[in-house]
Amino acid sequence: NAGVMQNPRHLVRRRGQEARLRCSPMKGHSHVYWYRQLPEEGLKFMVYLQKENIIDESGMPKERFSAEFPKEGPSILRIQQVVRGDSAAYFCASSPMSGIDSTGELFFGEGSRLTVL
Amino acid sequence: KQEVTQIPAALSVPEGENLVLNCSFTDSAIYNLQWFRQDPGKGLTSLLLIQSSQREQTSGRLNASLDKSSGRSTLYIAASQPGDSATYLCAVRAGGTSYGKLTFGQGTILTVHP
Repeated sequence: NAGVMQNPRHLVRRRGQEARLRCSPMKGHSHVYWYRQLPEEGLKFMVYLQKENIIDESGMPKERFSAEFPKEGPSILRIQQVVRGDSAAYFCASSPMSGIDSTGELFFGEGSRLTVL
Repeated sequence: KQEVTQIPAALSVPEGENLVLNCSFTDSAIYNLQWFRQDPGKGLTSLLLIQSSQREQTSGRLNASLDKSSGRSTLYIAASQPGDSATYLCAVRAGGTSYGKLTFGQGTILTVHP
């Protein structure tokens, strides 16, 4: 059973370009979370999605950032017109469906490291 | 707003020592608490998950305790080894549901030297 898969693992963009980060959750998981880890800072929540729905985007910057989790395919975190301050590691996590048997445990991917030149 | 603090920020010990990492949180209304390990340039590996109704969890040389009323958790590592060197992160999940965002501490950087 493959874990949470993220790609690309490393991405280099110039200021003003777009960055697209992909996340495939573990098999059977329908909840996806994106977190950002800035240099020398802790992990910060960005957004929580279920299939075709954004449940909580309270941690997303108001501009340039968007996320989706379509019915088919991976979840995508999109950053438009990147700036140097967007350089960070972006982690995706997934968890199983909620319910009485769910422990609520999160499983993380290896992360996508974005460098903006 | 939930805040999570980890003490110490860094710890260096000789191999074989038993050690304790501390985590405190400001809002005791949590669903669960999870301890992770992060190696440099890598993702997060889940070590232990403690539900709000539990007091402790054990896995091998690791033992995590939870005192929800006082807002504290400890991660105990027995007989430390150089391979334990990593950043250890504590994270709490808001109460009420089995899903929801985690709030992370800043982590404890552990170095175990031979």
